[in-house]
Amino acid sequence: GAVVSQHPSWVICKSGTSVKIECRSLDFQATTMFWYRQFPKQSLMLMATSNEGSKATYEQGVEKDKFLINHASLTLSTLTVTSAHPEDSSFYICSAPATVEQFFGPGTRLTVL
Amino acid sequence: SQQGEEDPQALSIQEGENATMNCSYKTSINNLQWYRQNSGRGLVHLILIRSNEREKHSGRLRVTLDTSKKSSSLLITASRAADTASYFCATDATGGYNKLIFGAGTRLAVHP
Repeated sequence: GAVVSQHPSWVICKSGTSVKIECRSLDFQATTMFWYRQFPKQSLMLMATSNEGSKATYEQGVEKDKFLINHASLTLSTLTVTSAHPEDSSFYICSAPATVEQFFGPGTRLTVL
Repeated sequence: SQQGEEDPQALSIQEGENATMNCSYKTSINNLQWYRQNSGRGLVHLILIRSNEREKHSGRLRVTLDTSKKSSSLLITASRAADTASYFCATDATGGYNKLIFGAGTRLAVHP
């Protein structure tokens, strides 16, 4: 199947700094990608839909100025957590659809101190 | 936003037993998918069932879908310790861009 990668796999940062997470589709093109957040022992919560060449669509309750999404090419979407705080510590997962199936990245664990 | 509920939230069984997990959802769907997630890891796609299908099999997995009740079930037969993981259903709503909304998940523990 198709492969989606994420980088970094984990990151620790100080409160107030910004962190960028990359999501790449390795062997297919994705005009749309999705970003999810998962807190410990909870389900995946859809944060936003990343659209190549246009603005991202955010789910209700997600601050678009805090979670900046850029879909720069057909194989790359980035999520930047700006001015991160400890409550932003979470597991961030991206996905990209290929036909009807979604392919998920391995996730990025963000810890904000 | 989450689509619906899964039950049970946690399930503990012995190896060799069958495990059944249920999922309910709220809106009309194109398809429903089941995923497995090992602790702290990414998701593994298990099976997809389309809205016009009622049952689907894949190895030891059996999925049913009842669109009139907006519910689905995942049956794992002859469970193994390696099946220990969290299982999530996810729905792809009609009119979406393959946008998946996940259920709350079931944490399955299979004891040797």
